[in-house]
Amino acid sequence: NAGVTQTPKFQVLKTGQSMTLQCAQDMNHEYMSWYRQDPGMGLRLIHYSVGAGITDQGEVPNGYNVSRSTTEDFPLRLLSAAPSQTSVYFCASSYSIGDEKLFFGSGTQLSVL
Amino acid sequence: KQEVTQIPAALSVPEGENLVLNCSFTDSAIYNLQWFRQDPGKGLTSLLLIQSSQREQTSGRLNASLDKSSGRSTLYIAASQPGDSATYLCAASKGGFKTIFGAGTRLFVKA
Repeated sequence: NAGVTQTPKFQVLKTGQSMTLQCAQDMNHEYMSWYRQDPGMGLRLIHYSVGAGITDQGEVPNGYNVSRSTTEDFPLRLLSAAPSQTSVYFCASSYSIGDEKLFFGSGTQLSVL
Repeated sequence: KQEVTQIPAALSVPEGENLVLNCSFTDSAIYNLQWFRQDPGKGLTSLLLIQSSQREQTSGRLNASLDKSSGRSTLYIAASQPGDSATYLCAASKGGFKTIFGAGTRLFVKA
């Protein structure tokens, strides 16, 4: 039972590079989201999706793109990496509105030099 | 804008002690409140979810309460153990899956 799977676990980028963080869930959850966690600031919502083909912005969406072509996958794209995007990124999912218990992946630690 | 605050930021207690972690939120019109546990270098694990119509939830040695009118939730841990050492986060949701997290309380239980 894989749950929420994130890849890669660690990544180092140079300023200006682009990359995609992968997230997949095998629980048939409608809702998926991306958070970043910075020291002393808790988790902040970047983007979320309530179903395939539907995405919306969270608190801190600038510099990130998402798409949801399937129920299972919700990749996060960094368009032009900046040092301010150095953070730990978490993907989360839940079944639906009314059952919003969140399940998290193990995270991606990203450093932008 | 919803803000979630957790006090204290860190807590160290001897094994066996009962303890309370606090969470406050500014917008009482929440849909639910969740408590999570995070171990170093790991993701978050949901411990308890309290719907807005509920006052508390219990799981084993954990009990979480919710008082929407005062904008507060507490997580009570009974008979703490070294294995309870972790960061505990609370998160408030207004529905539509926009969940706002507190910065967490780092708990250390000494053997």
